[in-house]
Amino acid sequence: DIQMTQSPSSLSASVGDRVTITCRASQSISSYLNWYQQKPGKAPKLLIYAASILQSGVPSRFSGSGSGTDFALTISCLQPEDFATYYCQQSYSTPRAFGQGTKVEIK
Amino acid sequence: EVQLVESGGGLVQPGGSLRLSCAASGFTSSNYWLSWVRQAPGKGLEWVANIKQDGSEKYYVDSVKGRFTISRDNAYNSLYLQMNSLRAEDTAVYYCAREGVTTPYYFDKWGQGTLVTVSS
Repeated sequence: DIQMTQSPSSLSASVGDRVTITCRASQSISSYLNWYQQKPGKAPKLLIYAASILQSGVPSRFSGSGSGTDFALTISCLQPEDFATYYCQQSYSTPRAFGQGTKVEIK
Repeated sequence: EVQLVESGGGLVQPGGSLRLSCAASGFTSSNYWLSWVRQAPGKGLEWVANIKQDGSEKYYVDSVKGRFTISRDNAYNSLYLQMNSLRAEDTAVYYCAREGVTTPYYFDKWGQGTLVTVSS
């Protein structure tokens, strides 16, 4: 089974900061990597699929990159509504696997 | 509007059973793979199972194999999760999620979740 490892587990940042979260797969998953945002008490929301394709309606300050085993989610200019937990997820094979999550907190 | 609405959660004793349902609307659910994803209190997301459009393929995470069964009824635009031999570690919010028609797969629509609590 493929394991997904995110780093860091949490980070503190200020509004306007550039933030990067990384995700590593235990084996190559090509570009079958998705990113989600989750706020407390809410269902996750899809941000990026296939490593770098922005989901419709998602602000362009979010971007994704990578292929193979190493991926990154970047928020170019952090906004107050971006404070949340972010998860990567592989769709290369079953069982589908999520990273453990990265909590982005206000500094 | 695309909607997924889960139901059937609740409190159940260890070893008991529960059947979750997910009603899909606003899209042709028979065109999509569908999944169940769970989240234990204060923990991360864990994929549980998925099912192909016609129900011919089903996959499970190892921790629920032999205890949980995913199924669907396309005539009623519904997804189900039969959970047997429940354990305390199955306590979680269970989400149904739309996974896609074909590759690349991703969960683009989610329900609001239903809470399952396994406790004596």
